[in-house]
Amino acid sequence: DIQMTQSPSSLSASVGDRVTITCRASQGINNYLAWFQQIPGKAPKSLIYAASSLQSGVPSKFSGSGSGTHFTLTISSLQPEDFATYYCQQYNSYPLTFGGGTKVEIK
Amino acid sequence: EVQLVESGGGLVQPGGSLRLSCAASGFTFSTYWMSWVRQAPGKGLEWVANIRQDGSEKHYVDSVKGRFTISRDNAKNSLYLQMDSLRAEDTAVYYCARDDYNYRYFQHWGQGTLVTVSS
Repeated sequence: DIQMTQSPSSLSASVGDRVTITCRASQGINNYLAWFQQIPGKAPKSLIYAASSLQSGVPSKFSGSGSGTHFTLTISSLQPEDFATYYCQQYNSYPLTFGGGTKVEIK
Repeated sequence: EVQLVESGGGLVQPGGSLRLSCAASGFTFSTYWMSWVRQAPGKGLEWVANIRQDGSEKHYVDSVKGRFTISRDNAKNSLYLQMDSLRAEDTAVYYCARDDYNYRYFQHWGQGTLVTVSS
């Protein structure tokens, strides 16, 4: 199984900050990497697929990058609605696996 | 607009069974892979199972193999998850998700249904 490791597990940031979350795969995943946002009490929402492609309707302040085993999600200017938990997911091979999540909190 | 509405969750005793349903609308259901993803209370996301458009191919996470069965009825635009031999560790919110057309990530999600396994 491919293990997905996110860091940090949580972070505190202020409105307007630039935030970067890292996701590492235990083996190469051919850029088959997606990112999701989950607001407490809500279903996850798709943000990024293919490591760097923005899902339709998602604001451009979100961006993804990386290849092979190392990937990042960046939020360029944090807004109040962005405080949530973010997950990465690999879809290169079964079982499909998620990272443990990164909780972004208000400083 | 894509809509996925889960139902069938509830309280069940260990060893019991439950069948979850997901009603899909707003897209051509028969042309997409579909998945179930779960989230234990206070924990992260875990993919459970998925099924090909025509039901001919199915995949499961190891922890549910032999106990859970995913199925679909394209005439009814519905996805199902039959859960047998339930354990306390199956307690979670279960989400129905529509995959991307070409790839196995979860493009759209339902609101989830809570399954609690407890005596």
